[in-house]
Amino acid sequence: SQQGEEDPQALSIQEGENATMNCSYKTSINNLQWYRQNSGRGLVHLILIRSNEREKHSGRLRVTLDTSKKSSSLLITASRAADTASYFCATDPKYNYGQNFVFGPGTRLSVLP
Amino acid sequence: NAGVTQTPKFQVLKTGQSMTLQCAQDMNHNSMYWYRQDPGMGLRLIYYSASEGTTDKGEVPNGYNVSRLNKREFSLRLESAAPSQTSVYFCASSAPRHEQFFGPGTRLTVL
Repeated sequence: SQQGEEDPQALSIQEGENATMNCSYKTSINNLQWYRQNSGRGLVHLILIRSNEREKHSGRLRVTLDTSKKSSSLLITASRAADTASYFCATDPKYNYGQNFVFGPGTRLSVLP
Repeated sequence: NAGVTQTPKFQVLKTGQSMTLQCAQDMNHNSMYWYRQDPGMGLRLIYYSASEGTTDKGEVPNGYNVSRLNKREFSLRLESAAPSQTSVYFCASSAPRHEQFFGPGTRLTVL
């Protein structure tokens, strides 16, 4: 079974609104990463948060990590049409020695102009 | 820097045919990965290579073989293609415990 599960599966918002998506995982991790995938393209890394960090920012992105609940959230503020994409979380399981990331099925975000 | 490159971009095979997907990275990463992506399934790891000369099975290795030719190149081979292998294939590379860099993908259809 997959380590990471994003929620919701799909999200549709208006331009300018904030978008929040969540990721839950099952085992202890070294870090958790968020990626974006535009239709028909490869994944692009957005942000990495380590297990000893609780919050991280990058531009309009804010990621939180709660290791006690085994969950993370990605917030995109002031969304734009160009943010329309699928978003994936990936976990680096603690006892896989960094060799084997596990991806969730993704959240499809649609930002309407 | 080209990053991670993959060839071909598209391929159509008949059941039973073989082919090799090529991947190369110019970031001097030790680790390289092959994934497949099916609709609604996210990415599933087929094989990975922690360093030159080593390869390990991922979640869905059946029907595939890999070769880590050198530090730059990691190829994926389908010996006898099946319709269930119709998918988009992504290669990625990374430094240990860091983010992965992905290639543009190969869209494979097996008839």
